[in-house]
Amino acid sequence: KNQVEQSPQSLIILEGKNCTLQCNYTVSPFSNLRWYKQDTGRGPVSLTIMTFSENTKSNGRYTATLDADTKQSSLHITASQLSDSASYICVVSGDNAGNMLTFGGGTRLMVKP
Amino acid sequence: NAGVTQTPKFQVLKTGQSMTLQCAQDMNHEYMSWYRQDPGMGLRLIHYSVGAGITDQGEVPNGYNVSRSTTEDFPLRLLSAAPSQTSVYFCASSAAGSWNSPLHFGNGTRLTVT
Repeated sequence: KNQVEQSPQSLIILEGKNCTLQCNYTVSPFSNLRWYKQDTGRGPVSLTIMTFSENTKSNGRYTATLDADTKQSSLHITASQLSDSASYICVVSGDNAGNMLTFGGGTRLMVKP
Repeated sequence: NAGVTQTPKFQVLKTGQSMTLQCAQDMNHEYMSWYRQDPGMGLRLIHYSVGAGITDQGEVPNGYNVSRSTTEDFPLRLLSAAPSQTSVYFCASSAAGSWNSPLHFGNGTRLTVT
């Protein structure tokens, strides 16, 4: 069964600090891996999409890494801001059409002043 | 630029009632889909559509119907609401056939069935 596991489930950090969120997956076949940010009461918003050939991808202060051999990904947030408080969802796609998406349960990040 | 618009934002139903959750997108996306999000679980696909007139079942389709008469609209119908359908429902769209096209989500409908 395809699974995406994220850790930690929740995290509290101080404003200005860095943090790293983890994603392990057992999805086959594999097409691409996506990270989404979901603010409370809102829909998820795309941060990055990576294929198996991409090791790292950045979007501002967000940097995602992918190790397709070990089936692990991480999302690093640099110099956190209060607005980074949200859930971060790892999604693995098994095809190009987007019909075979497996969603992780998310990591809830709280940034405190 | 509205993106994906879902209505209503909140809804309370009694067991056995029916209703339609509305979803509209203005990005001319061919692909549209419905997900439900339950506490502690990842989003699960209910139904999806790759274009007008074409729909297919996702992971958890029972109790839900969809239709796609236009590119813009993709309503989700609850036939006879059950407490197990209490959830947050998200509609999403993307450019079909593009592996690197992200899903664009609406802001959800929070449904409670009593």
